[in-house]
Amino acid sequence: DVVMTQSPLSLPVSLGQPASISCRSSQSLEHRDGNTYLNWFQQRPGQSPRRLIYKVSNRDSGVPDRFSGSGSGSDFTLKISRVEAEDVGVYFCMQGTHWPWTFGQGTKVEIK
Amino acid sequence: EVQLVESGGGLVQPGGSLRLSCAASGFTFSTYWMSWVRQAPGKGLEWVANINQDGNEKYYVDSVTGRLTISRDNAKNSLYLQMNSLRAEDTAVYFCARAGAAGTVDFWGQGTLVTVSS
Repeated sequence: DVVMTQSPLSLPVSLGQPASISCRSSQSLEHRDGNTYLNWFQQRPGQSPRRLIYKVSNRDSGVPDRFSGSGSGSDFTLKISRVEAEDVGVYFCMQGTHWPWTFGQGTKVEIK
Repeated sequence: EVQLVESGGGLVQPGGSLRLSCAASGFTFSTYWMSWVRQAPGKGLEWVANINQDGNEKYYVDSVTGRLTISRDNAKNSLYLQMNSLRAEDTAVYFCARAGAAGTVDFWGQGTLVTVSS
């Protein structure tokens, strides 16, 4: 199975400051169809996950543009340009290129 | 509005069975792959199973193969997870999720808690 490794696992950030989460996979996530199926999800406390980003860098409808995804191959990053209070929660990367789909351990973002 | 509503969770003894259901609305259910994803208390997410639009293609994580079975009824806009030979490590919130385009899930239900304990 593809192992997804996130860092850091805990990220205290001051309001208005940037935040960056790394996600590395144990093998390349480039599919034979040419796409890279790397997703990012946000899970606020007590809620179900919400997709933010799909195929590395495509932002979902309604997701603020302060969220951005980048990367290729086996190295990916989620960035929040200016953290707001509503961004508190756990962020997961997930690969959908190889069966079984696998998730990172999660990064807890909190306000410092 | 897309809605996924899970039901059927509860307390079950080790070795017991449970059937989870997910009622879908707000989209054309029969045209989407669907998934079950679980989250143990205080832990991360684990993908459990996927099923294609017709129900004739299914994928499972190794730890549940032979014990959990995903199925669907397109006439009822419903997704199911039959859970047999349950173990303590199956204790989790089980989420029903819509698999959007390939390699992703784009919408999640609120989840239903399954607790396996004597």
